[in-house]
Amino acid sequence: GQQVMQIPQYQHVQEGEDFTTYCNSSTTLSNIQWYKQRPGGHPVFLIQLVKSGEVKKQKRLTFQFGEAKKNSSLHITATQTTDVGTYFCAGEDGNNRKLIWGLGTSLAVNP
Amino acid sequence: DGGITQSPKYLFRKEGQNVTLSCEQNLNHDAMYWYRQDPGQGLRLIYYSQIVNDFQKGDIAEGYSVSREKKESFPLTVTSAQKNPTAFYLCASRWRGQPQHFGDGTRLSIL
Repeated sequence: GQQVMQIPQYQHVQEGEDFTTYCNSSTTLSNIQWYKQRPGGHPVFLIQLVKSGEVKKQKRLTFQFGEAKKNSSLHITATQTTDVGTYFCAGEDGNNRKLIWGLGTSLAVNP
Repeated sequence: DGGITQSPKYLFRKEGQNVTLSCEQNLNHDAMYWYRQDPGQGLRLIYYSQIVNDFQKGDIAEGYSVSREKKESFPLTVTSAQKNPTAFYLCASRWRGQPQHFGDGTRLSIL
């Protein structure tokens, strides 16, 4: 079946360092969504990418969708302690019926 | 104020007992979803519903049941057949092709 692989599983950085998490799908996606889950909380939507090769920015966060619409990345520049949490990517199948979730990347930031 | 309400926040289940988790949304979303999250893990889909009176099994439906009698409500019953029910249960809803909105979750434990 469809799978979305996400790496790395964990990342520990010093505050101010950059961070990147990557997602790869076994199939072409109609869109990919990114969510952040703080410890003890629920996933919160960050952004949706729809177009091939799309790049979107939110302050220090940069999101990319691959040309083949099978991979995506989230890059955080100069991490802060408020960035701590687990970042999930979720790809939409062609029928738009459900999301295929990556396992998430847990980010820890040392002050 | 629109949103998704899950109750209770914490729930304890005795051996051989069925328990029901509530999920209500006033966002007028057609689709609703139930996920299970184990510590340090990603989201696993239990059941989802695209319209009233219709629902489909997700990846880990065994030991669970749902109903969708109203658009706003999608309760999940954890039956005694689910031998390892301890987890964080998340309900979500959305418009087709749009991001998912999550409730605050229910933490279920075995007594």
